[in-house]
Amino acid sequence: GAGVSQTPSNKVTEKGKYVELRCDPISGHTALYWYRQSLGQGPEFLIYFQGTGAADDSGLPNDRFFAVRPEGSVSTLKIQRTERGDSAVYLCASSTNSRGEQFFGPGTRLTVL
Amino acid sequence: AQRVTQPEKLLSVFKGAPVELKCNYSYSGSPELFWYVQYSRQRLQLLLRHISRESIKGFTADLNKGETSFHLKKPFAQEEDSAMYYCALSGNTGFQKLVFGTGTRLLVSP
Repeated sequence: GAGVSQTPSNKVTEKGKYVELRCDPISGHTALYWYRQSLGQGPEFLIYFQGTGAADDSGLPNDRFFAVRPEGSVSTLKIQRTERGDSAVYLCASSTNSRGEQFFGPGTRLTVL
Repeated sequence: AQRVTQPEKLLSVFKGAPVELKCNYSYSGSPELFWYVQYSRQRLQLLLRHISRESIKGFTADLNKGETSFHLKKPFAQEEDSAMYYCALSGNTGFQKLVFGTGTRLLVSP
């Protein structure tokens, strides 16, 4: 079956612009995670959704970052006033429940010029 | 503080040689430990988790609470094992909030 998909695969933007990154989880997966992976680092947790609600957003670096999952399926990560330090690969993962195996998407590579 | 340390950025071995990828962790409480793998041009995927006590693709990992380690081992490396390996932990209650190490690139040469 289809795995987790993320769009776009690459996004280049200018400093100060707004971007949206989309994640389509595996159908039926209630748990959805966003991670950020900077060059030479492992993925870092950003936010966790259980259904439609953000159960834990403690990893969001500041209030420029926001994520939604309005219907409990697709999620969008939104970044306002992008900065060069936001450049990274943004990974999405989904799972059948809060303790199940996380299945990762291919990531979106964000480059802020 | 929760932390995962993978001291080696790169591990290079010959085919058929034993492999040990090191992972140490710090965590207040009883964590759950994982190894994730990313093959070239593929997405990150779970290799094994300590509670399963499985051997996957010939790899095993034993949780050593005294040494706070979860090293990944394989007795005879294969070329197809070449990949990026990440050790990760989460708490054993609540949701699975993964904390990853910086990763070790394993290169198996013929």
